[in-house]
Amino acid sequence: GQQLNQSPQSMFIQEGEDVSMNCTSSSIFNTWLWYKQDPGEGPVLLIALYKAGELTSNGRLTAQFGITRKDSFLNISASIPSDVGIYFCAGRNFGNEKLTFGTGTRLTIIP
Amino acid sequence: NAGVTQTPKFQVLKTGQSMTLQCAQDMNHNSMYWYRQDPGMGLRLIYYSASEGTTDKGEVPNGYNVSRLNKREFSLRLESAAPSQTSVYFCASSEAGRGRNQPQHFGDGTRLSIL
Repeated sequence: GQQLNQSPQSMFIQEGEDVSMNCTSSSIFNTWLWYKQDPGEGPVLLIALYKAGELTSNGRLTAQFGITRKDSFLNISASIPSDVGIYFCAGRNFGNEKLTFGTGTRLTIIP
Repeated sequence: NAGVTQTPKFQVLKTGQSMTLQCAQDMNHNSMYWYRQDPGMGLRLIYYSASEGTTDKGEVPNGYNVSRLNKREFSLRLESAAPSQTSVYFCASSEAGRGRNQPQHFGDGTRLSIL
């Protein structure tokens, strides 16, 4: 089945650094979503993007819907310890109930 | 704020045993979903239900059955568990969109091990 390619697969950063990750697809999507998953919990929605070129922020997080509709980007500014976790992108098309998930980016903060 | 509730949280089964995973949501959502999550593979859709009384196959439906008991509840059944079904199972729900896809909200997962 189709999956989205996320990169990088893992990141090791120091507290206070900015983080960038992206997600690419071979097909277009009408909706891009970014989720964060903490250990032992389910994914939690961070940002939803509905329009090509859209740039949306949620606190220190900023996500963009690529203009080709085949990619999306997530940036985290001034990382803090609670940012640790796995970040997933997901794509969806109108009228289609199915979400296609990326393989995840694992973020670790080095003391 | 319960959201999406899954039971049990953990389960160990022997090969060939059957089991039903339960999911309930209190957000009055029309759509519900079952995913499995395996290391390095993200989440893969097993089955979904766009509304009460309807179910459809997802990406990896083999070995599973589902029941949309009512608007709140969507169960996943393993009739004869196999070691390949060892995974973390997530239930999710979303409101039906009107011209805009509504995000899915997830439960905390059921960790299932098949010996």
